[in-house]
Amino acid sequence: AQSVTQLGSHVSVSEGALVLLRCNYSSSVPPYLFWYVQYPNQGLQLLLKYTTGATLVKGINGFEAEFKKSETSFHLTKPSAHMSDAAEYFCAVSSDSNYQLIWGAGTKLIIKP
Amino acid sequence: AAGVIQSPRHLIKEKRETATLKCYPIPRHDTVYWYQQGPGQDPQFLISFYEKMQSDKGSIPDRFSAQQFSDYHSELNMSSLELGDSALYFCASSFQSGRGLETQYFGPGTRLLVL
Repeated sequence: AQSVTQLGSHVSVSEGALVLLRCNYSSSVPPYLFWYVQYPNQGLQLLLKYTTGATLVKGINGFEAEFKKSETSFHLTKPSAHMSDAAEYFCAVSSDSNYQLIWGAGTKLIIKP
Repeated sequence: AAGVIQSPRHLIKEKRETATLKCYPIPRHDTVYWYQQGPGQDPQFLISFYEKMQSDKGSIPDRFSAQQFSDYHSELNMSSLELGDSALYFCASSFQSGRGLETQYFGPGTRLLVL
């Protein structure tokens, strides 16, 4: 079975500060890991994904995430937050034996001016 | 680039009525997934289709059914609607290629309100 845990339902950072959104997963098979962003009243947009290969993955809008197998983590970071980053972020996992996405509960990112 | 299209975008129904949601995947995508997202909740997987056959089933109520047609579009049929069915329904599509690493691209969702 697979599961995803996102620490913190809300994260607040100042504009220009580092963004760190935490995601831990459990999976008995090699996981594929995804971060999606959801802006208010909009659909889910893929930020980045890890499948195989390089463990540091770069995505859109300056976000990146690092797959750490030993820590079963896939935390999302951005060096400098922008007001337009305010949204809800979802971490998700799938695998070759389970194509459906298993989602974390989501983290609302709040950017303070 | 073409994206996933969902219709309608908004739907208001009364209890015990039926609703049909439609999803048009990205061209050449052969797999469709349906998710339900309740207010303040993460998306919950309902059902998926690969090459017009049901490929996986999640927490889809028996009152709901879905299918994928020859042109790869999919419809989610919901009967005997309940207040708790009020949610955002997302469709996603991917090119399966037999592996789970393919990105699922999401449509804008259909917001269903049951009164």
